[in-house]
Amino acid sequence: QVQLQESGPGLVKPWGTLSLTCAVSGDSISSSNWWSWVRQPPGKGLEWIGEIYHSGSSNYNASLKSRVTISVDKSKNQFSLRLTSVTAADTAVYYCARKGYNYGDFDYWGQGTLVTVSS
Amino acid sequence: DIVMTQSPLSLPVTPGEPASISCRSSQSLLHSNGYNYLNWYLQKPGKSPHLLIYLGSNRASGVPDRFSGSGSGTDFTLKISRVEAEDVGVYYCMQALETPAFGPGTKVDIK
Repeated sequence: QVQLQESGPGLVKPWGTLSLTCAVSGDSISSSNWWSWVRQPPGKGLEWIGEIYHSGSSNYNASLKSRVTISVDKSKNQFSLRLTSVTAADTAVYYCARKGYNYGDFDYWGQGTLVTVSS
Repeated sequence: DIVMTQSPLSLPVTPGEPASISCRSSQSLLHSNGYNYLNWYLQKPGKSPHLLIYLGSNRASGVPDRFSGSGSGTDFTLKISRVEAEDVGVYYCMQALETPAFGPGTKVDIK
């Protein structure tokens, strides 16, 4: 069974850098899937952040592109999110998810991790 | 960028009764391969979202057959034939034709 688990600091200072990792089990990070990050501010809807393929090819939400980097570590079967210059608006639950290559469906999700931006 | 809208944004339902949610996209989601790249997700309270429908009308594994998806191009519908109490939550449509974009969500609760 495929499982994804997010990890990282729950509190980040304003103008700092948010860094999260998603550990994947039950599937290879080198399989034919995209590995994505999605976030959800408290009480609000879902926002796609970006995705990466095992080849290193990546796509980002245009509104976040200048601040986001997603990377993959094949040796650890995990992928990571880095978001710079964070503000209170970046406070959210961050989910990692697997997106099918053919149909574009997010078929597996992590449990999510709340990241709060505050001094 | 493709923009997704949903209606209604809030839907009180009665168990045993049908329910329907509409989703519209600003551009056609019909690919040249004949598939509509539209997915539906349900986020139950306090949980991660999970996939209900992919490619407009295909139920994901384990999804009860009371859920059905239909539509093509820019107009899509999610129907629940007989609502159960466990169906409460927020339903999101999402286009997967380009970089993913979610609709605003429809909150379904029991009357």
